[in-house]
Amino acid sequence: DVKVTQSSRYLVKRTGEKVFLECVQDMDHENMFWYRQDPGLGLRLIYFSYDVKMKEKGDIPEGYSVSREKKERFSLILESASTNQTSMYLCASTRGGTSYEQYFGPGTRLTVT
Amino acid sequence: AQKITQTQPGMFVQEKEAVTLDCTYDTSDPSYGLFWYKQPSSGEMIFLIYQGSYDQQNATEGRYSLNFQKARKSANLVISASQLGDSAMYFCAMRGFSGSARQLTFGSGTQLTVLP
Repeated sequence: DVKVTQSSRYLVKRTGEKVFLECVQDMDHENMFWYRQDPGLGLRLIYFSYDVKMKEKGDIPEGYSVSREKKERFSLILESASTNQTSMYLCASTRGGTSYEQYFGPGTRLTVT
Repeated sequence: AQKITQTQPGMFVQEKEAVTLDCTYDTSDPSYGLFWYKQPSSGEMIFLIYQGSYDQQNATEGRYSLNFQKARKSANLVISASQLGDSAMYFCAMRGFSGSARQLTFGSGTQLTVLP
């Protein structure tokens, strides 16, 4: 079974703090993704990575950065958290090849106060 | 650019009946894949079914089937014999096969409630 784990289920941070969200997958997947989910908007892609140290911007990268130093780990960084970044954050991974489904982690519900 | 449209924010169905969740898409890619995911209230995203644009037959997985109409650019999910555990948010998504289009584009989702 593919396992995608995220470091926290719930997180509360203050405005201006630097926030790290960690994601780890155990199936040697090449591709990893960070999405945010907001009511009525579905999932929107923030960043993705198709190899170690490689990253590409998604649809809404502003205010975020990512790091992928090891194949199994993909980190999302909020350099200076703001209240409009309060959201559910979902990490996903998939094998190379476009017909394969993405496997998702349980999500991190981040609240920025 | 790819776009997924789910026009039903909420749907109700009686237990044991069938229900169709609508999904239309738009893409300029000649080849693409379509996915459906289920998200229960616990939050995890569960993959349900996949349809490739060149697949000759509609995909089926147990009680789930995908009604794929390529000319109409629709990929509706049909759930047969609904169960209470089917109550969840359902997302349609697509991925193109060209360039670096590895990411999925999601619709806004449909909240399905199964009534006893």
